[in-house]
Amino acid sequence: DVKVTQSSRYLVKRTGEKVFLECVQDMDHENMFWYRQDPGLGLRLIYFSYDVKMKEKGDIPEGYSVSREKKERFSLILESASTNQTSMYLCASSLSRLSLKGLFFGSGTQLSVL
Amino acid sequence: DQQVKQNSPSLSVQEGRISILNCDYTNSMFDYFLWYKKYPAEGPTFLISISSIKDKNEDGRFTVFLNKSAKHLSLHIVPSQPGDSAVYFCAASDTSGTYKYIFGTGTRLKVLA
Repeated sequence: DVKVTQSSRYLVKRTGEKVFLECVQDMDHENMFWYRQDPGLGLRLIYFSYDVKMKEKGDIPEGYSVSREKKERFSLILESASTNQTSMYLCASSLSRLSLKGLFFGSGTQLSVL
Repeated sequence: DQQVKQNSPSLSVQEGRISILNCDYTNSMFDYFLWYKKYPAEGPTFLISISSIKDKNEDGRFTVFLNKSAKHLSLHIVPSQPGDSAVYFCAASDTSGTYKYIFGTGTRLKVLA
């Protein structure tokens, strides 16, 4: 089974802190994604990467950056955390663009910014 | 602009009856559709998918129907079980374009015993 592991289940940070969310997948998937889930808004795509060192903006990239130095690892960075970034963050991966089962998700990181 | 919409935030169904979850999309380039189930404190898990060349796909108790002309898909669960209680997300992709999957806002299904 594919395993997508997010390093933290819960995080509490202060406004203005730099925050790193880490994600590792163990199935040699090409594509990795970061989403955030908010009540009433569903899952919204922040950034995705289709290759090492490649990244593309999703629908809501403002206030975020990403890093993919190795194929299995995709990091989401909040340069200066703000309270409106309090959310559930979900990392996902897919084998290829035409992956029939779509995305495999991690368990999520619930981030609270105070 | 919400390209994938789930207009019912919640749905309650009696155990043993049919659950029907609906999803509408606006982008005619979408050609692959998926349903995911999400339990609290867990990531979404893949449930069933359908390509735009089909209008129906079945997997056990789960059937997805696609009406391309109406840009509408639905997920039928028969019979519904208490363990089906979860949030269900539909997602859409344009497989000739980018790698993105666009998700709906989700429908919380509660199956009553």
